[in-house]
Amino acid sequence: TQLLEQSPQFLSIQEGENLTVYCNSSSVFSSLQWYRQEPGEGPVLLVTVVTGGEVKKLKRLTFQFGDARKDSSLHITAAQPGDTGLYLCAGASGANSKLTFGKGITLSVRP
Amino acid sequence: DADVTQTPRNRITKTGKRIMLECSQTKGHDRMYWYRQDPGLGLRLIYYSFDVKDINKGEISDGYSVSRQAQAKFSLSLESAIPNQTALYFCATSDLRGDYRTDTQYFGPGTRLTVL
Repeated sequence: TQLLEQSPQFLSIQEGENLTVYCNSSSVFSSLQWYRQEPGEGPVLLVTVVTGGEVKKLKRLTFQFGDARKDSSLHITAAQPGDTGLYLCAGASGANSKLTFGKGITLSVRP
Repeated sequence: DADVTQTPRNRITKTGKRIMLECSQTKGHDRMYWYRQDPGLGLRLIYYSFDVKDINKGEISDGYSVSRQAQAKFSLSLESAIPNQTALYFCATSDLRGDYRTDTQYFGPGTRLTVL
């Protein structure tokens, strides 16, 4: 069974701070996705990383896929209250396999 | 209008009752999924369907059943609800037409189910 461990589980920071959160596994994934879920809604895809070492930027969010394709990080620069939510990583390992989801990171950004 | 809808959005029921949660999508996707979400446990897959004639068990299918009535409709049933099935339930769709590595799942807004 492939597992994705996300850390930290909870994070509460002040507006304007920078932060990095992690998604780690002992298994290799073909790709990793990051989703954000806001209260009362379903998760929404932020980004997909496919190539080992790949870095993608989405405004103030920077996503990196580990060289060995076993881990990923999400860095947020100058966090804003609108970044508050649950961040889920999910790994794909084959065409007919399902996504494996991590347990999520709850981020709270205080004004 | 939302592409993936779930009904009901909230439901309170009693132990032993039969419950059906419904999911409809207008995205034209072949693949549909049912997940449950519990605090601290993340999203866990209950059942999934890659097309109308295909139904597969996920990691936590015991106590649940599904029906894929059409490409656009995928229902989840709890035959005899129990309190530990209290959770947030999500339906999702995806459309694998290209590289599976970039296949995106589109989630509905969720159904909050409470079993007393």
